[in-house]
Amino acid sequence: DAKTTQPPSMDCAEGRAANLPCNHSTISGNEYVYWYRQIHSQGPQYIIHGLKNNETNEMASLIITEDRKSSTLILPHATLRDTAVYYCIVRVALYTGNQFYFGTGTSLTVIP
Amino acid sequence: KAGVTQTPRYLIKTRGQQVTLSCSPISGHRSVSWYQQTPGQGLQFLFEYFSETQRNKGNFPGRFSGRQFSNSRSEMNVSTLELGDSALYLCASSIPTGPTDTQYFGPGTRLTVL
Repeated sequence: DAKTTQPPSMDCAEGRAANLPCNHSTISGNEYVYWYRQIHSQGPQYIIHGLKNNETNEMASLIITEDRKSSTLILPHATLRDTAVYYCIVRVALYTGNQFYFGTGTSLTVIP
Repeated sequence: KAGVTQTPRYLIKTRGQQVTLSCSPISGHRSVSWYQQTPGQGLQFLFEYFSETQRNKGNFPGRFSGRQFSNSRSEMNVSTLELGDSALYLCASSIPTGPTDTQYFGPGTRLTVL
C-alpha cells in the first residue's frame, strides 16, 4: 500500500472548519483513501473514504486532488468532541485479504 | 445494530503466561481483523480471518495466533507473554464487500503484562 504523510499536529478553533491534509504521492489507480479518527484510547472510528471524486457525508468532506497525490479531510464546524488523532490510510483491497496500514496520524486539538 | 464488542476490556497478566481475547463482530459481518496498538509502534495489523480461515497476516511472531468460529466470532491468543506485549488490542469487522470494504473497530482490550 502507498505510504501517507500527515502533519503530526494541528489546532483548530471551535466552530471553524478543520482542514487536515494528507500526502499520498505514490498512490496507485486502484487504491482508495480512507480516513479514521481515534479519540484517546478508544477504537478508531470510520469517517469517510473515496477513490477520485470528492465525497461528503454527515461527518466530513473528502477532497482528493485531480492527480490523486494528496487529499484533505474537512470537518466543516469543528467541536471540542472532534479532538482526536486522525489517520489517513491508502489501501488496496487485496483479493486475498483486507488490511489497513495506519501511519502516525495528525493529532487535532479543537480549541474553545 | 450493535457494534463490535471485545472482552475483556482490561487484563493484567505476568510474563510467561498466555492470554485469550475475544471479539464479536457486527451482525452480518464475516471478516474480523486484529490490530495491536502501542505508543512506540502505533497501530499494527496482526491478522485477518474470513469464513474461519486466516487470509492475511502481519509481521508478528508465532506466539500470536487467532481463530474464527462459524458464527464469525474471533479469538486471538498470545502465548508466553512478554513485557512488550502490553498494548491495546483492537478488533475490527467488515462484511466484506470488496474494494470499498470498511472496517469498524471495537473499543479494544487493554493488556498489561507485568
